[in-house]
Amino acid sequence: GAGVSQSPRYKVAKRGQDVALRCDPISGHVSLFWYQQALGQGPEFLTYFQNEAQLDKSGLPSDRFFAERPEGSVSTLKIQRTQQEDSAVYLCASSFTGTNYGYTFGSGTRLTVV
Amino acid sequence: AQSVSQHNHHVILSEAASLELGCNYSYGGTVNLFWYVQYPGQHLQLLLKYFSGDPLVKGIKGFEAEFIKSKFSFNLRKPSVQWSDTAEYFCAVQLFSGGYNKLIFGAGTRLAVHP
Repeated sequence: GAGVSQSPRYKVAKRGQDVALRCDPISGHVSLFWYQQALGQGPEFLTYFQNEAQLDKSGLPSDRFFAERPEGSVSTLKIQRTQQEDSAVYLCASSFTGTNYGYTFGSGTRLTVV
Repeated sequence: AQSVSQHNHHVILSEAASLELGCNYSYGGTVNLFWYVQYPGQHLQLLLKYFSGDPLVKGIKGFEAEFIKSKFSFNLRKPSVQWSDTAEYFCAVQLFSGGYNKLIFGAGTRLAVHP
C-alpha cells in the first residue's frame, strides 16, 4: 500500500484483557519497528524485525508484550493481561533495509486500559 | 546508554519569529539524524534527515538543521515561523552496528505559534 497501516485506530481494554495490534508495512519494506509513545513523551523503541526475524526485542517492557511477523510482512503486537501503564499510542514503522533509509510511520493505535 | 536530549519542552512564538530547537545525542559511532514533526491528531512525518555530506540540511516547509559532529548536536531552525508550524517536533538518531538498527527519539518539543 501507499503507507504503513495500523489497526485498530483506537482500542479500549479492561485491565487484564489481552489485546492484539496489527501493522501492515509498506510493500517491500524489509525492516519493521514497533514503538510505544506515552502521553507527552517521545516514541520509545520496543522491537525490530528484519523480514520474519526479530533481531532486537530489548525495548519490550515485560514478558506480557510479544510481537511476531511470521511471513515477513504483517506484524502483530500482543499485550497480555493489560495494565493501566500500558495505555499509550503504539506506533509501527517500516523501512527498506540498509543504512540510508528513513522510516515511514503509521498513524498508530491508541490503547486505553481502564 | 544512548540518548537524545531536546532542550526545550515547550516553545511559544509569534508568527514571523525565528525558531531554533536544540538536539544533542550521546553515541560515539556512526549515526543518521532526523527531525520528525507531529501535527495535532496526525502521525509522525519526516521533516528532514542527515546521512552524510553537507552538515547543513534543508527539509520541507523551510526548515533546516545543522549537524555539528564535535558537539553531537543537530539543531533545527526556521527563519520565520507560521501559525501552521504549531506541532510537536522530535529529534531522532538512528544507530547502526552490524545487524543492529534502532531509531532513538528525544522527548519532543511542543511548539505553539500565535498569529
